Amino acid sequence: DGGITQSPKYLFRKEGQNVTLSCEQNLNHDAMYWYRQDPGQGLRLIYYSQIVNDFQKGDIAEGYSVSREKKESFPLTVTSAQKNPTAFYLCASSQLYNEQFFGPGTRLTVL
Amino acid sequence: EDQVTQSPEALRLQEGESSSLNCSYTVSGLRGLFWYRQDPGKGPEFLFTLYSAGEEKEKERLKATLTKKESFLHITAPKPEDSATYLCAVQGNDYKLSFGAGTTVTVRA
Repeated sequence: DGGITQSPKYLFRKEGQNVTLSCEQNLNHDAMYWYRQDPGQGLRLIYYSQIVNDFQKGDIAEGYSVSREKKESFPLTVTSAQKNPTAFYLCASSQLYNEQFFGPGTRLTVL
Repeated sequence: EDQVTQSPEALRLQEGESSSLNCSYTVSGLRGLFWYRQDPGKGPEFLFTLYSAGEEKEKERLKATLTKKESFLHITAPKPEDSATYLCAVQGNDYKLSFGAGTTVTVRA
């Protein structure tokens, strides 16, 4: 059963804490992406990776970090430098330049 | 900078009442226009890709069309299960996607 998994579904962060969101895909896609979704706004690109061990900043990368050590995995760390992290986070994957397929999302809330 | 504007923000329909959603865009070299469906609290589900003006794609009660400045998603004889937020995105020369804010469709039985 191919697809994209994200964990956890819900995540709570205290002030000053770093948290890591997991994203795994078994679609054999080369490219992976992280988006942030806020109410009333379109999805905004945080980071993307087109190949293992390489990634690029998106439009809102400040306060976030990623790694791409395996083709299947693209974890996102929300650091304490991100001042407004409460949002719905979506991971996607694609064959290069084709349609993107999304995971179920992680809802992050700052306590 | 690529821009996508979707209208209306919200649409309430009676079951069987056909309607259209609009996606207007400006992009530096259109590589593709994508439509997604998103249910509350879930990730977007891919529906269609359109590549050039005049192209049309259909899936069940949904039909997407494309011109040089906008795309329409037509919903024919909608059912309550068509209730969702519909997202439009464009891919330009940099191959990144720019998303609109979406149209939330509610279909009443």
